[in-house]
Amino acid sequence: QKEVEQNSGPLSVPEGAIASLNCTYSDRGSQSFFWYRQYSGKSPELIMFIYSNGDKEDGRFTAQLNKASQYVSLLIRDSQPSDSATYLCAVNEAAGGSQGNLIFGKGTKLSVKP
Amino acid sequence: AAGVIQSPRHLIKEKRETATLKCYPIPRHDTVYWYQQGPGQDPQFLISFYEKMQSDKGSIPDRFSAQQFSDYHSELNMSSLELGDSALYFCASSLRGQSNIQYFGAGTRLSVL
Repeated sequence: QKEVEQNSGPLSVPEGAIASLNCTYSDRGSQSFFWYRQYSGKSPELIMFIYSNGDKEDGRFTAQLNKASQYVSLLIRDSQPSDSATYLCAVNEAAGGSQGNLIFGKGTKLSVKP
Repeated sequence: AAGVIQSPRHLIKEKRETATLKCYPIPRHDTVYWYQQGPGQDPQFLISFYEKMQSDKGSIPDRFSAQQFSDYHSELNMSSLELGDSALYFCASSLRGQSNIQYFGAGTRLSVL
């Protein structure tokens, strides 16, 4: 059974702080890693994707991947109240260019306090 | 930019009834995925289609079936509905060769009474 584990939270950070979200996965063959943001009752919205070990930055967001430790994280700098949502970590065993379904973690609920 | 379109947005059915959910992928996307998300749960993969053929199958009940049509839209057919089928149903689409990035529609909220 392939699993993706996240701390359910809630994770509470003050406005302007760095929020750190963590995720581990069980399938060592996993190739693609995604972070989705989901507001209550809405659809998952892609925030970041990463395929290679190391860091990937996009604006206030940085994804970090360590395949040896089977660990992926998301850092949100200068957190804003509008960042308050559930963050879903998703893993795909397929390599880039081929297909495969996403396996989601249960999500971490982030609350950014003004 | 055009997104994934799902209809209807809300659906109310009674037990043992049938329901049909529709999904129109992003133009040029060739792969469609269906996910079910129960209250407080993470999305669970149901089934996917690539170029109108079933590609992968997840935890889809036998009471459910799906297909992808020549225009690439997909329909999820649900029969003998049960109370436990009440959930958000998301469709996502992707383009093979584009890094497995799946874009989600707004979802259909199904309530079974």
